[in-house]
Amino acid sequence: RKEVEQDPGPFNVPEGATVAFNCTYSNSASQSFFWYRQDCRKEPKLLMSVYSSGNEDGRFTAQLNRASQYISLLIRDSKLSDSATYLCVVTTGRRALTFGSGTRLQVQP
Amino acid sequence: GAGVSQSPSNKVTEKGKDVELRCDPISGHTALYWYRQSLGQGLEFLIYFQGNSAPDKSGLPSDRFSAERTGGSVSTLTIQRTQQEDSAVYLCASSSQTGAGEKLFFGSGTQLSVL
Repeated sequence: RKEVEQDPGPFNVPEGATVAFNCTYSNSASQSFFWYRQDCRKEPKLLMSVYSSGNEDGRFTAQLNRASQYISLLIRDSKLSDSATYLCVVTTGRRALTFGSGTRLQVQP
Repeated sequence: GAGVSQSPSNKVTEKGKDVELRCDPISGHTALYWYRQSLGQGLEFLIYFQGNSAPDKSGLPSDRFSAERTGGSVSTLTIQRTQQEDSAVYLCASSSQTGAGEKLFFGSGTQLSVL
């Protein structure tokens, strides 16, 4: 089983839609969680950290469910510019960050 | 520049040749990571340097791969006797933090093509 698993998609949604992605992790000792965004042929960039209490940044909401070992990302009012691959990232102890394979989002006009 | 710099941006080599990829992290960042990404795939961890600690080499796929970080700054990833399956984008990232709240800054990567 992979340490971090994501549905690869693609998720094709119309502009203005709300879309949610989940990511599951296998190690219950995992401590830190992040969502990164990667545009086509570009390097990944941090989108947001995920806190235990859940957190929001504009149209983006991230949540953590430790009991079920998953994190989620909700995007409201999707924009064309949101089209990208969203990478779930987990850290365990002092090990390097572990990236999921990503979920591709395509927002259509 | 202020970001992570990688060179070369593209490298085409013949099977069996050795290659060296370079990474200049953001000044002052103590943590440096190498990942690779094959087309349409996720990021595969290779190696992690943190300060003066022994590097975490657990992701290196074979003994043909090695990396060093001189003076706590510049890092070089070396692939010996390259194989076609080594073709990928090699991404370097640096961070000023460890543990919780860690934010990685990535370079633009080196596209390696082994013919």
